[in-house]
Amino acid sequence: NAGVTQTPKFQVLKTGQSMTLQCAQDMNHEYMSWYRQDPGMGLRLIHYSVGAGITDQGEVPNGYNVSRSTTEDFPLRLLSAAPSQTSVYFCASSYGIGGPNTEAFFGQGTRLTVV
Amino acid sequence: GENVEQHPSTLSVQEGDSAVIKCTYSDSASNYFPWYKQELGKRPQLIIDIRSNVGEKKDQRIAVTLNKTAKHFSLHITETQPEDSAVYFCAASWGNMLTFGGGTRLMVKP
Repeated sequence: NAGVTQTPKFQVLKTGQSMTLQCAQDMNHEYMSWYRQDPGMGLRLIHYSVGAGITDQGEVPNGYNVSRSTTEDFPLRLLSAAPSQTSVYFCASSYGIGGPNTEAFFGQGTRLTVV
Repeated sequence: GENVEQHPSTLSVQEGDSAVIKCTYSDSASNYFPWYKQELGKRPQLIIDIRSNVGEKKDQRIAVTLNKTAKHFSLHITETQPEDSAVYFCAASWGNMLTFGGGTRLMVKP
């Protein structure tokens, strides 16, 4: 049971490049989400999904796309990287939000630098 | 949407003392309030949570209290130890979203 696996751990992009951050979980969780973590700003929700085929925007969705074709995978796409997207990105999964047994499990994070 | 404020942003205590971190939230419909601990360079991990139908919850040296009327909740750590040094985040659920506070860096001095 690997939990939540994110790849890559580190990435440097040039402005305007695109890339996909991968996230996979093996806990059969329905709910998956992406956060970005910036100093002093906590974790801000980018996009989330309540199940395969269903995605929705969080607090800071601009510049990012997601899809959820399977229960296990929830990739995050940066369409045209900007320096403002330099951050640490965390993927998380859980059975849901707020109900019993809804602890969110986080991946190890991806440190992204856009130059 | 939900807005979560967390105070203080940094907290320094002597080993053995207690530490208290406070959070306020804006939406009275929020019903789930977890606390996460993040050690340097690591992922956030859940340490305790509370739901809106409960006023207080304890787990060994940590406790969380919730005041729904005032819309605030607090984390209490007693008998702090150096390994408690980390960044702590509170959060509140609103619909299908979990909104986090800005974090508190706790430093426990030996």
